Amino acid sequence: QQPVQSPQAVILREGEDAVINCSSSKALYSVHWYRQKHGEAPVFLMILLKGGEQKGHEKISASFNEKKQQSSLYLTASQLSYSGTYFCGTVSDAQGGSEKLVFGKGTKLTVNP
Amino acid sequence: DTEVTQTPKHLVMGMTNKKSLKCEQHMGHRAMYWYKQKAKKPPELMFVYSYEKLSINESVPSRFSPECPNSSLLNLHLHALQPEDSALYLCASSLRRSQPQHFGDGTRLSIL
Repeated sequence: QQPVQSPQAVILREGEDAVINCSSSKALYSVHWYRQKHGEAPVFLMILLKGGEQKGHEKISASFNEKKQQSSLYLTASQLSYSGTYFCGTVSDAQGGSEKLVFGKGTKLTVNP
Repeated sequence: DTEVTQTPKHLVMGMTNKKSLKCEQHMGHRAMYWYKQKAKKPPELMFVYSYEKLSINESVPSRFSPECPNSSLLNLHLHALQPEDSALYLCASSLRRSQPQHFGDGTRLSIL
């Protein structure tokens, strides 16, 4: 079942912060976050496993609330290079984790000067 | 540059043609994936190979035929495709299942 992402689109000025949410109605084994720029391949950002762990990478971090089956991606002090479409991908816990990654519809992030 | 290499980058074919897409990785990954992506849509999983065995087929039409000759190589054989099959075909690999997936740049396929 496809996870639900919100918002669908967000426009920022350079230096502003943003939060992108991803929720599932199924129990999750893991949540993956990817960024895809126009005409390019998706690029892996981070993975969160069940357990509520928060991960960070420079000014981009994410959390996973296992009770709510929700993950959030935090972008702080956004840069022009952050522009792109962000996808969350979820792996169901039904099989203790499988290869099947289901992507949400994506959030288009635009960072303007 | 990505560590997953896909060829060709672009492919135009007629509905009666037979062609193949190729994907290669040398990261020692044991899981490899084919995705289809339409414009402004997320990637949709087609096939998964785990340790060179087909483990997931997402009810893909038989005109798409995957093959994994060895742990580094993944092919997608195409035959009698339809115009609606025009899309970006992405290959990905991961160390093992549920690990981060690394995507190739994709093959942009157009069916005439």
